[in-house]
Parts: sequence; structure tokens; C-alpha cells
Amino acid sequence: DIQVTQSPSFLSASVGDRVTITCRASQGINSYLAWYQQKSQKAPKLLIYAASTLQSGVPVRFSGSGSGTEFTLTISGLQPEDFATYYCQQVKTYPFTFGQGTKVEIK
Amino acid sequence: EVQLVQSGAEVKKPGEPLKISCKGSGYSFSSYWIGWVRQMPGKGLEWMGIIYPGDSETRYSPSFQGQVSISVDNSISTAYLHWSRLKTSDTAMYYCARTLDSTDTWFGPWGQGTLVTVSS
Repeated sequence: DIQVTQSPSFLSASVGDRVTITCRASQGINSYLAWYQQKSQKAPKLLIYAASTLQSGVPVRFSGSGSGTEFTLTISGLQPEDFATYYCQQVKTYPFTFGQGTKVEIK
Repeated sequence: EVQLVQSGAEVKKPGEPLKISCKGSGYSFSSYWIGWVRQMPGKGLEWMGIIYPGDSETRYSPSFQGQVSISVDNSISTAYLHWSRLKTSDTAMYYCARTLDSTDTWFGPWGQGTLVTVSS
């Protein structure tokens, strides 16, 4: 299986901050990576796919970059509604593994 | 509007069978992959498997192979996740999700989740 490791696991930030979450794959996955946001007790929501393509309706303060084994999700100007847990997922090779998640909390 | 509506919460005993469902609407059901994701209490997301309703091609994570089965009924646009014998460790929230496009990749629309509780 391809292992996907996110860092950090936990992040404390203030409204307006620029936040970056990293996802590393154990082998090259080209751009076969997605980012999801999950708020408490709710289904995940797709934010970014193909490493850098913003899903329709997602605010432009969210952006993704990277290819191969290292990827980043950046939130430029954190908003109150962005406090949530974020997951990356590789879809290059079965099983399509998720990272362990990054919880973004209010400082 | 694309919607995935999952069946309601279940409370079961160890050893009992269970089938939960995920009904798709607002799109061509047979043309998009549907997957299942487990989330144990307080934990992260785990990819369980995926099925293409068009031909029932199914892929499982090795962690779930033999533990669950995934199927579809195209006549009612519904996907299923089935256990023949539940364990207490199957207690979790289960989400179905449809791929964003017709390829087997990232999930776009998600169901609301089905909470499964297994306890004696």
C-alpha cells in the first residue's frame, strides 16, 4: 500500500492566518491527490483534486500544490468556518489511502 | 442535484448480519464509481473499497477484503455494504461517496453517513 503521511497532526491558528498542511506519499503518485475538509460529525467535503484543482464552489483562499511525493494545502486567510479536520488522499494505486488528518483549531 | 442518501443508524449484536444502503439520485447511477469509507469513533478516514455500477467491478482494501462485501442494484440506483457476521470492532460511521467523474479517483458527493453500533 502507498502510505500517506500528513503533518502536522494538530495546528492551532488565528483568524486571518496563513496555514499550510503537508502530505507526503511513500512513493510517487504524480498528481493523484485530493484534499478534503471534515467538520465535526459531518461528511467530508472535497476541496482540491488532482493536487491543485479547486473543486467548484470552494473559496479561492484554499489552494493545493505539489506532485510526486510531496504536497501542500494552503489556506490563505483562515476564516472561522475553516476550523475543521483536513485529510489528503492518494488515488494513484489501490487501496486509495487517506492521510491521518490534520485538525485545525482556534488559537 | 446529485444526492447520496444512506440508510439509518443500526444497532446490532456481534455475529449478526447487516446490509446498509446508499441511494443515488440526480445523475446516471451506472456511470460513476461509488466507494465506502469507514470512520471509527474519534479516528480518521479509512478507504474500504469501490464499485463501478456499470459492470460491478469491485476493488477492496486488503484491510477489508473478506470482511465486507460491496454490491449494487442498478434498478433502484442503490449501493450496499454488507457484513455476514458483525464484530464489536465494526462500530463506526460508514460513508458512501461517488467519484467526481467517471474515473475511479477522488470522491465528490458524499452520503450523510450511517452509524453502525455493534454491542452485546
